[in-house]
Amino acid sequence: GAVVSQHPSRVICKSGTSVKIECRSLDFQATTMFWYRQFPKKSLMLMATSNEGSKATYEQGVEKDKFLINHASLTLSTLTVTSAHPEDSSFYICSSSGTPYNNEQFFGPGTRLTVL
Amino acid sequence: QKEVEQDPGPLSVPEGAIVSLNCTYSNSAFQYFMWYRQYSRKGPELLMYTYSSGNKEDGRFTAQVDKSSKYISLFIRDSQPSDSATYLCAMSRSKLSFGAGTTVTVRA
Repeated sequence: GAVVSQHPSRVICKSGTSVKIECRSLDFQATTMFWYRQFPKKSLMLMATSNEGSKATYEQGVEKDKFLINHASLTLSTLTVTSAHPEDSSFYICSSSGTPYNNEQFFGPGTRLTVL
Repeated sequence: QKEVEQDPGPLSVPEGAIVSLNCTYSNSAFQYFMWYRQYSRKGPELLMYTYSSGNKEDGRFTAQVDKSSKYISLFIRDSQPSDSATYLCAMSRSKLSFGAGTTVTVRA
């Protein structure tokens, strides 16, 4: 299967600061990337879908001005949590899909965000 | 009613037993069916991917899809302690819908 990396794996920040999480597709061209959020012992909740070179499509209830997504290349997407608050603390996971894996999604290892 | 229903367990089996997991779904438009394994504090890992009714086998893993009943299953033969994880079913038409995940523990 394909390899997707995320950086950082863990981040702790103060309330009010912004945090950027990177998602990289290492061995294939990711035309579509997805960002998920996962709470403890819960399933994954899709936040947004981004296609390379286009604006992201956000799921209902997800604030696009708070969770900024950029997908500027076929190998990199970023999620920026702006003005983070303690309730934004969560496990954020990205996934990638693209040639030749057009109907499959491969997930990154996740980023644990803790906002103090 | 959720689109995808999966019993969260937990499920505990002795080493060597067969693990049986299943999900039901309500949206007949789903075309692709997947099983992911997720270890604690890690991202999901794709185990099985299928798009048609029937069985698909890969080593100790067998995935079954019954579109007429809207039911999918994953069987793990000769289970090992290293199989202890949360197993998530997922299905898609354009984006993935996940089940809640079943936590499995294989006892040595």
